[in-house]
Amino acid sequence: DAEITQSPRHKITETGRQVTLACHQTWNHNNMFWYRQDLGHGLRLIHYSYGVQDTNKGEVSDGYSVSRSNTEDLPLTLESAASSQTSVYFCASSAEVGGGETQYFGPGTRLLVL
Amino acid sequence: RKEVEQDPGPFNVPEGATVAFNCTYSNSASQSFFWYRQDCRKEPKLLMSVYSSGNEDGRFTAQLNRASQYISLLIRDSKLSDSATYLCVVNRPPLSFGAGTTVTVRA
Repeated sequence: DAEITQSPRHKITETGRQVTLACHQTWNHNNMFWYRQDLGHGLRLIHYSYGVQDTNKGEVSDGYSVSRSNTEDLPLTLESAASSQTSVYFCASSAEVGGGETQYFGPGTRLLVL
Repeated sequence: RKEVEQDPGPFNVPEGATVAFNCTYSNSASQSFFWYRQDCRKEPKLLMSVYSSGNEDGRFTAQLNRASQYISLLIRDSKLSDSATYLCVVNRPPLSFGAGTTVTVRA
């Protein structure tokens, strides 16, 4: 069965370290998204991609970067982790042009920055 | 102002009751609308799309009012399993999520 996976599921790191969160989907979807979820804010879009070599900034992109070298993967990198980046991170993918329809989410990565 | 605003609740209702809640959105150019469900900080999952004419999916009814820019969800005959956080989602594109409305159904 097609799926979307994230790794690691839990991560503890220190401020200033570079951290990469992995997202892998086997749906063969063109569109992939990274969100963070914090109490009171809901899901906020960090970066997204509509295809290989395409990346776009979301509403909270500062301090994060992504690259899309193949259809299946969209890794999220925190260049220099900050305590404000402690959050739950969800990756999602979707099939349709424009990216706004059913999105399938991964199980999430809980990140703690000390 | 947040792009999508929801009453966070919680709405505490007995089994069998009807519960309804709304969300409002600020971008009049938004193209499509959805309700997602999220259990206990697990991943969100699509509950249903929302169409201009209103639509039902079993015990769930969704309505859209473009003129007033609000979306509603009504749950009839509530079940314990309906306890969750319901996320209002607007496609600009890309998708913009509300912070969620928490519903707790008690026995």
